[in-house]
Amino acid sequence: KQEVTQIPAALSVPEGENLVLNCSFTDSAIYNLQWFRQDPGKGLTSLLLIQSSQREQTSGRLNASLDKSSGRSTLYIAASQPGDSATYLCAVFSGGSNYKLTFGKGTLLTVNP
Amino acid sequence: NAGVTQTPKFQVLKTGQSMTLQCAQDMNHNSMYWYRQDPGMGLRLIYYSASEGTTDKGEVPNGYNVSRLNKREFSLRLESAAPSQTSVYFCASIDRAGNTIYFGEGSWLTVV
Repeated sequence: KQEVTQIPAALSVPEGENLVLNCSFTDSAIYNLQWFRQDPGKGLTSLLLIQSSQREQTSGRLNASLDKSSGRSTLYIAASQPGDSATYLCAVFSGGSNYKLTFGKGTLLTVNP
Repeated sequence: NAGVTQTPKFQVLKTGQSMTLQCAQDMNHNSMYWYRQDPGMGLRLIYYSASEGTTDKGEVPNGYNVSRLNKREFSLRLESAAPSQTSVYFCASIDRAGNTIYFGEGSWLTVV
């Protein structure tokens, strides 16, 4: 059974700081890993998707890495802004012929002005 | 969240009432999913359907039933609602390679 863990559960940083969110998963047989953002009372917005054959993906100030063999991924946010405040969710897509998307519990990020 | 439509967006039920959450996608995706999200719990998989005509239990299936009548639609039914089913429900569809994942906007359900 795939299990996804995100550390820390909550993070508060001053504006401008660089930060790292961590995600680990127990079964390395994944198709891909995806990072999402969720604002309070809203749905999920996809940020970055890393295929199992890839090591990292970048979009603007965001960089996600994947080490499939060790079951780890990180989301790096550069020069954080108050608008980055949200919950960040990591999800892995796996399961052989039964495709399953398993989520971590998320990291609540607060960027203080 | 273009492509996945969930209804209703908000619903209040009394304990013991039944209701069906509807989900439809127009992207010809094979796989569809129902999740629930509770504070501090992330998204937990209720049921999923890897293809038309098939359904499987996820992590928290008790108290729910699903129906995948065709490729487009995947409905979630609460036969006898309980306060523990108060939650936000998300439907999602995924293409075969898992490259494209779309979520509905969510359904806020309160059982009193």
